[in-house]
Amino acid sequence: QLQLQESGPGLLKPSETLSLTCTVSGGSISSSNYYWGWIRQPPGRGLEWLGSVYYDGSTFYNPSLKSRVTMSIDTSKNHFSLKLTSVSAADTALYHCARVRRGTITIIRGVRTEQHYFDSWGQGTLVTVSS
Amino acid sequence: QSVLTQPPSVSGAPGQRVTISCTGSSSNIGAGYDVNWYLQLPGTAPKLLIHGNHNRASGVPDRFFGSNSGSSASLAITGLQAEDEGDYYCQSYDNSLSGSVFGGGTKLTVL
Repeated sequence: QLQLQESGPGLLKPSETLSLTCTVSGGSISSSNYYWGWIRQPPGRGLEWLGSVYYDGSTFYNPSLKSRVTMSIDTSKNHFSLKLTSVSAADTALYHCARVRRGTITIIRGVRTEQHYFDSWGQGTLVTVSS
Repeated sequence: QSVLTQPPSVSGAPGQRVTISCTGSSSNIGAGYDVNWYLQLPGTAPKLLIHGNHNRASGVPDRFFGSNSGSSASLAITGLQAEDEGDYYCQSYDNSLSGSVFGGGTKLTVL
């Protein structure tokens, strides 16, 4: 059974860099059928997709965070990582990693888009940003 | 402010039917992109319920039914049970943001 486990520091100061790793067990991170993503959940609030990374290292990010986010993947260790620079209190959240299933292809107004959904999630790790 | 709008809460008695709405726009649900639904039980990770608008994930009972029309989607739950209590989220793709977007979540209370 696939399991994802987030790890990383739980407390950061403003302006520091958040670094998290998601270790995957029970399945290969090198599968071409999936991306691997990060989603966060501020306390008491909803979910926000941060970005996704493919086994070949290609990435796409939430435009609202694009300038601060970097994701990478290490197939030899079966894990992938998130870095978020210049954190502030607004980045305090429960950070989940997830497997991203590649779904159907949609062609809308001539633009081809692959649908994604998150079919397996880690429990999440709480990151607090406070001075 | 979430891109997809859900009611903050819904409730129902055991055995009843409830629906949770998810309202989007012409850049996401209205454009024809798939809607997916997740359930987050208290203190646990979200779990996939419905993908591709109406396809139940493995192990999800047929009491859960996803549908969509125009710029909105709905999740219907029939034969409500106590273990259905939790937070439900919808998710889709938005072509103006070029990425996945979620609803703000709906807390289901079983009375």
